[in-house]
Amino acid sequence: NAGVTQTPKFRILKIGQSMTLQCTQDMNHNYMYWYRQDPGMGLKLIYYSVGAGITDKGEVPNGYNVSRSTTEDFPLRLELAAPSQTSVYFCASSYADRGPGGELFFGEGSRLTVL
Amino acid sequence: AQSVAQPEDQVNVAEGNPLTVKCTYSVSGNPYLFWYVQYPNRGLQFLLKYITGDNLVKGSYGFEAEFNKSQTSFHLKKPSALVSDSALYFCAVRDGQTGANNLFFGTGTRLTVIP
Repeated sequence: NAGVTQTPKFRILKIGQSMTLQCTQDMNHNYMYWYRQDPGMGLKLIYYSVGAGITDKGEVPNGYNVSRSTTEDFPLRLELAAPSQTSVYFCASSYADRGPGGELFFGEGSRLTVL
Repeated sequence: AQSVAQPEDQVNVAEGNPLTVKCTYSVSGNPYLFWYVQYPNRGLQFLLKYITGDNLVKGSYGFEAEFNKSQTSFHLKKPSALVSDSALYFCAVRDGQTGANNLFFGTGTRLTVIP
């Protein structure tokens, strides 16, 4: 049972390049999330999804896009990379039937540097 | 608006001594409270949660937390610290009134257990 898997683990981008961070989970969770973690700032929600075909913005969505075509996959797209997007990105998922009491299961993270 | 405060960036404790990592929160409705731990270069791991019921919640690795509604606090505790407990700890809250979609994280407290 792999849980939440993120790829790549590390990536260096040049300003203006685009890339997609991949996230897949094998726990049949309906809810999926993308967070970014910056030093001393905790985690901030970028986008979330409550099921296939349904996505919504979190606290810091600017510069990012997501899609959710299947229950398992929730990729995060950076269209025009900027230095401000240098961060560690975490994908997470949770059980829908636990509602607000459901704990999140996190991937190992993807460290992105934009130069 | 919901928020979480972890007033201490760093907590140092001697091995074998009791440890406390502090957390206070602010929500409009009923709080759903969580503690996560992050080891270096890893994702966050769930430790414990409070949804309702007994104010003292027990979790993984011997950790427990006490929900105090009047003080709006949810401090993490352990009776006897281990060197292996050294990590970054995050408190998080969801507002039960607004729904399940965002888990707000504190800025984290780095716990160092000194041998």
